[in-house]
Amino acid sequence: AQTVTQSQPEMSVQEAETVTLSCTYDTSESDYYLFWYKQPPSRQMILVIRQEAYKQQNATENRFSVNFQKAAKSFSLKISDSQLGDAAMYFCAYRSANYGQNFVFGPGTRLSVLP
Amino acid sequence: KAGVTQTPRYLIKTRGQQVTLSCSPISGHRSVSWYQQTPGQGLQFLFEYFSETQRNKGNFPGRFSGRQFSNSRSEMNVSTLELGDSALYLCASSLSAAGFTGYTFGSGTRLTVV
Repeated sequence: AQTVTQSQPEMSVQEAETVTLSCTYDTSESDYYLFWYKQPPSRQMILVIRQEAYKQQNATENRFSVNFQKAAKSFSLKISDSQLGDAAMYFCAYRSANYGQNFVFGPGTRLSVLP
Repeated sequence: KAGVTQTPRYLIKTRGQQVTLSCSPISGHRSVSWYQQTPGQGLQFLFEYFSETQRNKGNFPGRFSGRQFSNSRSEMNVSTLELGDSALYLCASSLSAAGFTGYTFGSGTRLTVV
């Protein structure tokens, strides 16, 4: 079974600075999808960024970018120019390309943004 | 365009009762999944539906059940509630059959069992 690990339960960053959240996963599959979700106090999980495993190019969405290292099974999220609104729980998720599987979420990293 | 709507937002039930939670996906989304979120266990997969068929089920007891209607709306039911069922229940919908493009989540239903 696949597992997702986020080794940093909590992190903090100064406003306007850059922070990187770590995620590693364990799988024997070669075809899969990786996601970062953000959950603010409003509880709604918001999709931040998505990466397809067969694409070597790292995904980017505005201030958010990933460092995808397939061989190392690592999928870190970099947030540039951090804003107060970035404060939230961040979850890394793995989705097999196999229809019979489901999403596997990591335990989350709580990010605080300091003014 | 309206997002994923979950009702009710909060619910307090007594142990032994049953509860039904509702989820309306984004218009056009035919895939609906349910997750249980607790501080101890994190996000755990409950079920996934596509076009009224259950495609996948997580490792939960038979007290947890769900269904999807022809308009893609979904309900989940928990019978004989236990204290450990207290959690945030999240519904998510996706345009693709298995969420490959990513889920859009609702704000959840906070269930408290007393």
